Amino acid sequence: QQQVKQSPQSLIVQKGGIPIINCAYENTAFDYFPWYQQFPGKGPALLIAIRPDVSEKKEGRFTISFNKSAKQFSLHIMDSQPGDSATYFCAAANRYGGATNKLIFGTGTLLAVQP
Amino acid sequence: GAVVSQHPSRVICKSGTSVKIECRSLDFQATTMFWYRQFPKQSLMLMATSNEGSKATYEQGVEKDKFLINHASLTLSTLTVTSAHPEDSSFYICSARSSGTGTNEQFFGPGTRLTVL
Repeated sequence: QQQVKQSPQSLIVQKGGIPIINCAYENTAFDYFPWYQQFPGKGPALLIAIRPDVSEKKEGRFTISFNKSAKQFSLHIMDSQPGDSATYFCAAANRYGGATNKLIFGTGTLLAVQP
Repeated sequence: GAVVSQHPSRVICKSGTSVKIECRSLDFQATTMFWYRQFPKQSLMLMATSNEGSKATYEQGVEKDKFLINHASLTLSTLTVTSAHPEDSSFYICSARSSGTGTNEQFFGPGTRLTVL
């Protein structure tokens, strides 16, 4: 029940395309859903996060779509660029967690944007 | 704002030695810090949760006597890999959660690449 399932494992798109990465969760207590971007040899960086009281959130070229009834959320990258090539992780947690609360990470998606 | 640093960024050591990795929140106070390990092409695996002034909480399967965690102040947590072996070679990443916001947003450090020969 603590798992977050992420797909696809890898994705190749052409420059300007719109890659979509999907995640699904089981624990209905989760109410914080961030996406992280990680470049090789670097730590993850928070891209965008959403709460379940909204169905969509946009920040620049990044959009999260959230489907509470299906317990699914996805990341869309508009007008993708070669610089977006990285590994993307979704995660889930209780937004106002206690001292021992933690992020549950998906398995990651390796995105390659071809010029 | 919300910058987390790690030191060193890369370390190579001989088998049997101990290695200390520092994690600092530079512009905020962090009651809670987290230590992760990441193997190549895999996700982040939480090792332990570090709370300032108290003992760390380790995840199942993580040896607390091998991975010593100290969170002595609101801006510093350290991870010491004791008697390191080649199988401990990995990318170690810390994150910090701000004490002020009360949310679960975590800010990650740049990671430390440990290679045990």
